[in-house]
Amino acid sequence: AAGVIQSPRHLIKEKRETATLKCYPIPRHDTVYWYQQGPGQDPQFLISFYEKMQSDKGSIPDRFSAQQFSDYHSELNMSSLELGDSALYFCASSLVSSGRFRGQETQYFGPGTRLLVL
Amino acid sequence: AQKVTQAQTEISVVEKEDVTLDCVYETRDTTYYLFWYKQPPSGELVFLIRRNSFDEQNEISGRYSWNFQKSTSSFNFTITASQVVDSAVYFCALSERRSRDDKIIFGKGTRLHILP
Repeated sequence: AAGVIQSPRHLIKEKRETATLKCYPIPRHDTVYWYQQGPGQDPQFLISFYEKMQSDKGSIPDRFSAQQFSDYHSELNMSSLELGDSALYFCASSLVSSGRFRGQETQYFGPGTRLLVL
Repeated sequence: AQKVTQAQTEISVVEKEDVTLDCVYETRDTTYYLFWYKQPPSGELVFLIRRNSFDEQNEISGRYSWNFQKSTSSFNFTITASQVVDSAVYFCALSERRSRDDKIIFGKGTRLHILP
C-alpha cells in the first residue's frame, strides 16, 4: 500500500538559510500533520491542514510556515534556520471520516526528513 | 491536561524473552484514543495500534499484545518471544475528543534493546 512520501530525506543547511520540506500524503487522505522530533525526544506537533486549510497549530516557530496544496501535498517552509532546528521532521496523514474529529483518526507517518543545521 | 508517561526509558532483554512496555496516561475526557508507534533505528514511525476509550478488550496481533486498563489508566504493550528486529523506540500516544485537537500527544518513548 502507498505510504506517506517525504522529500528530501536528508538536508544539510547553514545557519540563517531557508529550507523547504515536502510531504505527499497517502492517496485520498485529506489531512496532513507536521511534527518535529529533536534528538532523543518525542515528536512534537507543529501544524496541520485539513482540506487545504490550516486546522490546528502547535509549537511552530514564527520562522516556519506551511501550506497544503490543491493536490493535498504539503510543504513546510523554514527560514532563518538555527542550530536548534536540527531535527527529524515528520509528516503524517489521515482520512477523516464524517462526524469524527481529526485527533481520533490514525495518523500514518512518513519516513521523515532529517535536517541538520550547521 | 493530557499526558502520557512511559516510565521505562530503556529496557534490554535477551532474544526470545517476553517484555512489557508500560504506558500510563492522564486525561479528563471520557472519550479518548490511545496509540502505539514503533520507531526502529532507521527513524520512521510505524503505527502499531489504535484503541478508543470505550473498547477495553485486549488485543493480540502475532507476538504483540496490548492490555488496556481504564481503572489504572494504563495501556501496556507486551512482546512475546522477542526478536532482534523488535529493537526500537516505542511510543505510546493519546488524543482527546473533547479538546478536538488534531495532534496526538506522545510519551517520551521506551528504547528497547533485544540482545542476541
